[in-house]
Amino acid sequence: AQSVTQPDIHITVSEGASLELRCNYSYGATPYLFWYVQSPGQGLQLLLKYFSGDTLVQGIKGFEAEFKRSQSSFNLRKPSVHWSDAAEYFCAVGAPGTYKYIFGTGTRLKVLA
Amino acid sequence: GAVVSQHPSWVICKSGTSVKIECRSLDFQATTMFWYRQFPKQSLMLMATSNEGSKATYEQGVEKDKFLINHASLTLSTLTVTSAHPEDSSFYICSASDDREGSPLHFGNGTRLTVT
Repeated sequence: AQSVTQPDIHITVSEGASLELRCNYSYGATPYLFWYVQSPGQGLQLLLKYFSGDTLVQGIKGFEAEFKRSQSSFNLRKPSVHWSDAAEYFCAVGAPGTYKYIFGTGTRLKVLA
Repeated sequence: GAVVSQHPSWVICKSGTSVKIECRSLDFQATTMFWYRQFPKQSLMLMATSNEGSKATYEQGVEKDKFLINHASLTLSTLTVTSAHPEDSSFYICSASDDREGSPLHFGNGTRLTVT
């Protein structure tokens, strides 16, 4: 069965520190992979996506993610976190050709000044 | 970029009444839209797939008579929560795609429904 796991429910980092949010998936083939960010009371904003090609994907707001097929992972990274990055982050997988995404349970990021 | 507008952003209604939530794609046409429900501090749960010009497809466990979906045009889908009860209080989010290969889903800003 398809699934997405975000092992970290909460992560706290200091402003300026680097960040890595983990995402592991279970899927029969290579799915489409996404990272979305959600601020409180808001919808989801797409940070980046992976469909094929280069396994290191650049996104908005200085985020990047690396697809590792051997580890079934798609971890999100940022070299220097800003206070405005505090939010909930969701990893999602989708079967190519469909839009029925499966979302992870989310990781809540707290940024210390 | 593709924009999805959801209205209202929040609504309070009395138990037994019905509430309609609108989801519009502002600068693209969406054959398919999706409705999600999100409980506090939890992930998104897909409720149904809204298909323009045809009936919606509901996920298992979602009452289609409770959550009426209408996709009347390529830019508008509506979710009506009928005879709302306090347990229907939640955050509802819609999403849409412009149907181009590889195009991701774009999400509305959500609607906070509180049933008193």
